[in-house]
Formats: sequence, C-alpha cells, structure tokens
Amino acid sequence: AQKITQTQPGMFVQEKEAVTLDCTYDTSDQSYGLFWYKQPSSGEMIFLIYQGSYDEQNATEGRYTLNFQKARKSANLVISASQLGDSAMYFCAMSSLSGGYNKLIFGAGTRLAVHP
Amino acid sequence: GAGVSQTPSNKVTEKGKYVELRCDPISGHTALYWYRQSLGQGPEFLIYFQGTGAADDSGLPNDRFFAVRPEGSVSTLKIQRTERGDSAVYLCASSLTGLNNEQFFGPGTRLTVL
Repeated sequence: AQKITQTQPGMFVQEKEAVTLDCTYDTSDQSYGLFWYKQPSSGEMIFLIYQGSYDEQNATEGRYTLNFQKARKSANLVISASQLGDSAMYFCAMSSLSGGYNKLIFGAGTRLAVHP
Repeated sequence: GAGVSQTPSNKVTEKGKYVELRCDPISGHTALYWYRQSLGQGPEFLIYFQGTGAADDSGLPNDRFFAVRPEGSVSTLKIQRTERGDSAVYLCASSLTGLNNEQFFGPGTRLTVL
C-alpha cells in the first residue's frame, strides 16, 4: 500500500525567504509519481509540481522545487522567495504509474503562513 | 477556458436522505476522478472514470455510494441513505488522459448531513 507522511502540521516563514515543506512516502511500486498541490482558503486544489520516480533531476516550476531523494523516500517542496499569497495548505501526493492513471494518495497537509 | 465546475457548492441534507452531486469536467478531458476531503485531512480517492466507464471504484466506502458518467463528460456522485459521517467536501478532478500529470480540480461540494 502507498502512504504519504507530512510531519509538519503548520509552518511559518518570513516574506521573501525560502521554506521547505517535508514529505516522505512509502510504496512498493517501482514506477510512481510524486505531486504537490496547494489549497488556498477558497478550497480549490491547485497543481504545483510533479516528479516521476525515474527522473534523476529535481523538478522545478518557477519558485517551486521538488527535492527528490529516492533512497530516503523523500519528496520535499522548496518554495523560494515566499510571497504573502503563498499562505495556504500544501498537500504532497503520490500515484502508482503501473495502473495507467493517476489515483492520487494524499498526505494530511501542511499549513503555511507567510508573514510580512 | 472554463475549468471544472461542481454543483451545488453547498448541500445540507437530513440523515437518511438521498443526494446527487454533479461534476462538469473540462471539455475534452477523458479522465475524471472523485475525491472526498474530511475536515483537517487530505483528499481521499473515491472513483476514477476513463470515458464512460468506472475503471477503479475501489475508494467508494460502501454500497450507498455510486457514480455515473453516461456520456463521458458530466459525472454524478450519488449517495443513498446519507449518514452524518458522509459530511465532507466532495472534490471532482479531470485530466486530459489517465496518465496526464496535472489533474484540474473543481471547487468542491460541501455536504453537510444533519
């Protein structure tokens, strides 16, 4: 069975600084995907970044970097130059790629607060 | 372009009643997912449609829950004999194909069972 663990219920960061949100996963699959989603107070889930298990380079999308450490089963999200609008819940998720579709398994989330 | 829409945005019902939640995916998206998000938790997978067929319904909690997608676009999640424990936000997501990395989520339907 797949499992995502996010150990930080809440984090805060000063505006313009970088912050790392932790995520560890457990799976017996050889081929899988790792995702990060943002959920503002409005409730909508917003896709941020994706990393495939066979990708050797860390995925980057603008200010987001997925720090992928396969041996440690870790998929931390680094947000650089934090902005006030980054305040939200952040969810790490994974899926097995062997099934041909992305059935997402989510962690419990981390609430990020960006302070001015 | 239009995103994923869900109706109603809020639904309050009494224990034992039947409810239907609707999802309109992005036009052309063949993959459609339903998730349920309880308070303070991450979303949990309920069911996946590829086209008209439910390819994976392993997340449906019991036989009171059923979902359809008869024409391969709009989907309806149906809950019979609602219970207080069914109260949650029900999220729908669609993607171009099953393996497309980005799932586009709708705003959700907040279901409250009194």
